[in-house]
Amino acid sequence: DGGITQSPKYLFRKEGQNVTLSCEQNLNHDAMYWYRQDPGQGLRLIYYSQIVNDFQKGDIAEGYSVSREKKESFPLTVTSAQKNPTAFYLCASSTLGQGSSNQPQHFGDGTRLSIL
Amino acid sequence: AQSVTQLGSHVSVSEGALVLLRCNYSSSVPPYLFWYVQYPNQGLQLLLKYTTGATLVKGINGFEAEFKKSETSFHLTKPSAHMSDAAEYFCAVKGPNSGYALNFGKGTSLLVTP
Repeated sequence: DGGITQSPKYLFRKEGQNVTLSCEQNLNHDAMYWYRQDPGQGLRLIYYSQIVNDFQKGDIAEGYSVSREKKESFPLTVTSAQKNPTAFYLCASSTLGQGSSNQPQHFGDGTRLSIL
Repeated sequence: AQSVTQLGSHVSVSEGALVLLRCNYSSSVPPYLFWYVQYPNQGLQLLLKYTTGATLVKGINGFEAEFKKSETSFHLTKPSAHMSDAAEYFCAVKGPNSGYALNFGKGTSLLVTP
C-alpha cells in the first residue's frame, strides 16, 4: 500500500545535539511538508518542498533544516539552535499541478521528540 | 491569508448523542476546506473535504459537514456518537500560499461518555 513512513516513532535529543527525522513517501507526490504539533496549538508549518532540490521556509523554520535530494524523501533536522524542540512532528505529502489544489494532504504517523 | 477558527477546544457528548464540532473560516476566495481526525500518537486521517459544488459533504465514519458561505462556517456533525469517535479533530483550509500547505485550527478534543 502507498503511504508515508516516518521514523523513528520516538526520539530523544541531548543538549547541543542535532537530530534528523526521516520521512519517506511512495505516493509519487511532488509536494512534501513538515508540521510541528504542540498541545492546544494545532499544527504549524515548518518547511515545505514542491520539487526536488528546492524547499521553502514555513511559519516556524528557525532552528530547523531540510533537504530534498529525492522525490520520495524529505528529512528534517532539528538543530541545537531550536531551544524548545519537544513536540510531535508530522510529515505530509500531496499532489501538485492543475486540478490538484483541492486534493488533501496525506500524513505519516509522526515522530515524538523529547529532550533528555 | 486564509485561516480557520475552531470554537471549543473540548467537547463532551454522551454515546448516541449528536456530535457538533464548529469551524469558521476566513478567506477572500472560495476556500478548500478539510476535516481531519487524529487518534493518540498517530497521524491525521482525512474525514472529508469541501471543494466546490454540493454544500453538504459526506465523509467517513458517518461524519458530514455543511459549507455555509453566508456564515463562513464548515461545521462537522454526526447524528449518533460512538465511543470510538473520541479523538482530536482538526479543521483546515488550503490556499495557494506556502505551496498549498494547510492552515489548521487549534483542534477540538471530542470526549464520548457512556
